[in-house]
Amino acid sequence: AQSVSQHNHHVILSEAASLELGCNYSYGGTVNLFWYVQYPGQHLQLLLKYFSGDPLVKGIKGFEAEFIKSKFSFNLRKPSVQWSDTAEYFCAVNANFGNEKLTFGTGTRLTIIP
Amino acid sequence: DTEVTQTPKHLVMGMTNKKSLKCEQHMGHRAMYWYKQKAKKPPELMFVYSYEKLSINESVPSRFSPECPNSSLLNLHLHALQPEDSALYLCASSQVLAKSWEQFFGPGTRLTVL
Repeated sequence: AQSVSQHNHHVILSEAASLELGCNYSYGGTVNLFWYVQYPGQHLQLLLKYFSGDPLVKGIKGFEAEFIKSKFSFNLRKPSVQWSDTAEYFCAVNANFGNEKLTFGTGTRLTIIP
Repeated sequence: DTEVTQTPKHLVMGMTNKKSLKCEQHMGHRAMYWYKQKAKKPPELMFVYSYEKLSINESVPSRFSPECPNSSLLNLHLHALQPEDSALYLCASSQVLAKSWEQFFGPGTRLTVL
């Protein structure tokens, strides 16, 4: 079975600081990887996704993530955060054989201080 | 149209009531999902419909009964719920077996069981 772990439960940063949120997954086969964001009072939105090819993927709002297969990791990064990035961030994985099941990590709450 | 809509936004019900949650999408997606999300937790998969047939049931109690009347609609019928069932219920949809597969989420129904 696939599983996802996010070790940072709550991250507090000042505006303009750099961000890296960790995500590790457990699954022996090929996977699809996602980062979703949930702004306060809003629905889940896709930030970026990795299926194949270049392991460095760029998403919306200046976010990027790097897939490191040897480390089973898919960390999210942003060079300079803004107050509007305050939100809950979820890493998710699904096995790449047509299984629709998406497994979410426990989430990281990001608070940006103006 | 890249939107998943859910009604109602909020629902308060007693333990003896029968109510239904509704979800609709017009993106031509043939997979639809119900998730349950408790406060400060990740979404938990409940049901998956693929081509209008139930393909995954994550051992959800029978007081939750899903229905997919056509490819655009997904219902969740509720009966004899418990207070611990209070949560945000999310609907999502996706293509099936597509290379650029991703799930699009609705805003959710906030359910309170008294």
